[in-house]
Amino acid sequence: DTEVTQTPKHLVMGMTNKKSLKCEQHMGHRAMYWYKQKAKKPPELMFVYSYEKLSINESVPSRFSPECPNSSLLNLHLHALQPEDSALYLCASSQWVRGVAGANVLTFGAGSRLTVL
Amino acid sequence: ELKVEQNPLFLSMQEGKNYTIYCNYSTTSDRLYWYRQDPGKSLESLFVLLSNGAVKQEGRLMASLDTKARLSTLHITAAVHDLSATYFCAVVMGLGGSQGNLIFGKGTKLSVKP
Repeated sequence: DTEVTQTPKHLVMGMTNKKSLKCEQHMGHRAMYWYKQKAKKPPELMFVYSYEKLSINESVPSRFSPECPNSSLLNLHLHALQPEDSALYLCASSQWVRGVAGANVLTFGAGSRLTVL
Repeated sequence: ELKVEQNPLFLSMQEGKNYTIYCNYSTTSDRLYWYRQDPGKSLESLFVLLSNGAVKQEGRLMASLDTKARLSTLHITAAVHDLSATYFCAVVMGLGGSQGNLIFGKGTKLSVKP
C-alpha cells in the first residue's frame, strides 16, 4: 500500500459545527503532516507529528486541533471555524530520519476540500 | 527565514517547445523537491535532489540542483499537452536536519497549447 487516504473528500460546515478530517497510511511512515492550501496558492505547513508526537505547530489557531492516535492515523479536529478557513487540507506522510540527508519524500493524500459557511 | 521563489509563475508553451522553470531559495539547504499538481488534485512527487550538481530526468522533465547558487531548474523538453499542470519546488531548511519544514514556492502554472 503506497497511498495516503483522506476522508471526507468534501466537507461543508457551519461556523458553530464540530467536525474532523481523517488521514490514514500503511507505509510504516513515522512522520505525518497537515498542510493547508488555499486556491491558487502553495501548500502551507500546519502540523508535523513524528512518532505520534507533535513536533511542529506552525502557529495554527486553536480552532484546529490535531491528533495522532497511532502510527497510521492522523486526525484534524475542527471547531468554530471561520469562512476564511475554507481550503484544501492535505495530509502527507514520510519516513523520519533525523540527521541524515536522506530522501524522506512526502507522500500526499488527495486532500479534503473544506467549505465553511 | 527561508524563502523559495519560482519563476515564471505562469508559462504558456507551444507543444514541441523547450522551456525552463527556475527555483531560487534563500538559505542553506541540501534537499529540494519538485511536485506536480493537477487542478483540484493532490501533489505528485516528481524529483528529489539531494546534492550539489544532482541531475534527474523522467521523460520530458529534467531537474537539476546547484546548492552553491541556491538554484534548481526544471527543464521541459518538447512539451506535450499532458504536462499542463502547476509545478511546485519545495525546500527543507537546514542541512540533513529537522524534518517537516518543507517550504513551497508559489508554483508555476504551465499550459501547453497545440
